[in-house]
Amino acid sequence: GDSVTQMEGPVTLSEEAFLTINCTYTATGYPSLFWYVQYPGEGLQLLLKATKADDKGSNKGFEATYRKETTSFHLEKGSVQVSDSAVYFCALSQGSQGNLIFGKGTKLSVKP
Amino acid sequence: DAGVTQSPTHLIKTRGQQVTLRCSPKSGHDTVSWYQQALGQGPQFIFQYYEEEERQRGNFPDRFSGHQFPNYSSELNVNALLLGDSALYLCASQGGRIHVARNEQFFGPGTRLTVL
Repeated sequence: GDSVTQMEGPVTLSEEAFLTINCTYTATGYPSLFWYVQYPGEGLQLLLKATKADDKGSNKGFEATYRKETTSFHLEKGSVQVSDSAVYFCALSQGSQGNLIFGKGTKLSVKP
Repeated sequence: DAGVTQSPTHLIKTRGQQVTLRCSPKSGHDTVSWYQQALGQGPQFIFQYYEEEERQRGNFPDRFSGHQFPNYSSELNVNALLLGDSALYLCASQGGRIHVARNEQFFGPGTRLTVL
């Protein structure tokens, strides 16, 4: 079945460092890809999405490009802030159902 | 515009009991999905409701059941609770009848269920 694999954390960075969180997927067809963020004690918020190959999703300085040839959707940010500390989830959905399949999450801690 | 709301926020039950969790979707949304998020894991899809019917179900036993009301709100029921049912239960809503896979799902804050 479809699945999502993302790099295990936790990831600890200093403020203004470059961030990459790797995400690869296994799926039949052409899924839509998402990054969600979960701040402590809160639900999930959609960070960005891409619906077809070579699309680039971006939001709040974060970017991810849908790479069909490598089945990847890596999350990047050029300069992280303390406020970016959260758990990041990569996810896919496809078909008419639209249910999301999530990776296990990567916890990011940004130190001042 | 209110987002997705869930109640209660926290709940403590004992093994064998039954529990009902509630969700109100974002205004304008007609589809509700439920997810279970165990500690340190990603959310797992339980089921999805549309037009008051279960449209799709994940790999969860029949102890997990749901309902959608005419106003699109939804309930998740879990019978015969097990210790392993302790988790954060998330509700998500989305709108529209076409291109469902591309509709953004909006999540509520979740209900933290603890089974003792």
